[in-house]
Amino acid sequence: KAGVTQTPRYLIKTRGQQVTLSCSPISGHRSVSWYQQTPGQGLQFLFEYFSETQRNKGNFPGRFSGRQFSNSRSEMNVSTLELGDSALYLCASSQETAVSYGYTFGSGTRLTVV
Amino acid sequence: TQLLEQSPQFLSIQEGENLTVYCNSSSVFSSLQWYRQEPGEGPVLLVTVVTGGEVKKLKRLTFQFGDARKDSSLHITAAQPGDTGLYLCAGDQMGYGQNFVFGPGTRLSVLP
Repeated sequence: KAGVTQTPRYLIKTRGQQVTLSCSPISGHRSVSWYQQTPGQGLQFLFEYFSETQRNKGNFPGRFSGRQFSNSRSEMNVSTLELGDSALYLCASSQETAVSYGYTFGSGTRLTVV
Repeated sequence: TQLLEQSPQFLSIQEGENLTVYCNSSSVFSSLQWYRQEPGEGPVLLVTVVTGGEVKKLKRLTFQFGDARKDSSLHITAAQPGDTGLYLCAGDQMGYGQNFVFGPGTRLSVLP
């Protein structure tokens, strides 16, 4: 079956702009989580959506937001981009929770802010 | 301060050697997972451990969850170049399986 698909794979944006990243989970997976990965901080949890509702949120500023659609596809948006937002953004899908079968990650979107 | 610490940070060994990497915390986790990430890809789940003292084997990989559920180890026997990658541990502190905290990872390089 198809894996988790993230688009685009690479993105270059200018400070102050906004960006939207997309994630299509594995068919049947209703939970979608987003993580930011940087060399210095590792994987940091952004938020998790289940059935179109945000269930959990990490410690990121309000510039980071997301949503989930009825087909479980998810988007995350970052407004007023800063240089420090440059990172690999990973989307992960799971069944109701990630305990039994873990997360299935996409290949990520590499965002560079210049 | 990282909730999960991993050691060593980097490890470079020759093919055929054995190695152990560690994942430690002062917090208790209801479950803990290990992932391997290769360059340009997302992490891939290797194992989930949920019971204190649990040992799981996956071919040449042996995973152990500490009795107090605060630490874990990954032992690789006879490492191969294909084992090269970033090994990440992730803990479920809240017990809901909805928000896993990741360690910083151990970057392993196995030289042929």
